[in-house]
Amino acid sequence: AQSVTQPDIHITVSEGASLELRCNYSYGATPYLFWYVQSPGQGLQLLLKYFSGDTLVQGIKGFEAEFKRSQSSFNLRKPSVHWSDAAEYFCAVGGRQAGTALIFGKGTTLSVSS
Amino acid sequence: EPEVTQTPSHQVTQMGQEVILRCVPISNHLYFYWYRQILGQKVEFLVSFYNNEISEKSEIFDDQFSVERPDGSNFTLKIRSTKLEDSAMYFCASSEGVSGGTTDTQYFGPGTRLTVL
Repeated sequence: AQSVTQPDIHITVSEGASLELRCNYSYGATPYLFWYVQSPGQGLQLLLKYFSGDTLVQGIKGFEAEFKRSQSSFNLRKPSVHWSDAAEYFCAVGGRQAGTALIFGKGTTLSVSS
Repeated sequence: EPEVTQTPSHQVTQMGQEVILRCVPISNHLYFYWYRQILGQKVEFLVSFYNNEISEKSEIFDDQFSVERPDGSNFTLKIRSTKLEDSAMYFCASSEGVSGGTTDTQYFGPGTRLTVL
C-alpha cells in the first residue's frame, strides 16, 4: 500500500538548534517526494521536492532534505531553527504524471522555544 | 508570485445543504485538484481535473461530490447534501502539467474550513 509515515507528531526545538523531521514512505513506483509547510491560517507551501539526481536537495528558508532509497526515507533538516519556522510540516509522495494524487503524512508540528 | 486563492475562508452550513467551494488556480496551470483534511487527520486527495474532465479520483469522491470549471478562471467543488463528517479543511491545488524529465508540482491554496452543523 502507498503511504507516508511521519513518526513525530510534535517536536520542540530551541531557537538556533538544528532540526531533523523524519519521513518514511511506501510507494509502488518511482517516488517523487515533497515537503510542504503550513503556518497557522495559511495554505500548504512547498519547501522542496525530489525526483531524481542528487539525493540531497535544497529548498527555501534554509531547509534541505536527503533521499535515502535503501531506507525509504526523505528526512527534512535545517541547521539552525528560527522562531518563524514554527509550523506544521507535511511530507508527501506522488507519481511522475501530472494529475496524480499526492499521498501525505499526518504532519509534524514544530514548536520553537527561546 | 502567482498563487492559488480560495473562497470563502470559512463556511458554516446545515446538514443536508448544498455547498460550493471556490478556487482560482494559477493562471497558466492545466491541472486542478481538491484535497481535504479532517481535523487531526491526514491531508487526503479527493480529485484531479484536466481538460474539463476528472483525471483521477479517490474513494472519498463519491456521488455527493462534483467538480466544475464554470469559466476560464474558477474551479469549484460542490457537495450536494452535506453530512457532519464532511466538516474539514478543503484545499485546492493546481499544477502546470509538465511532462518529460521534470516533476509536476502542485501548489496549494489557503483552504476553506467547512463546518457542517
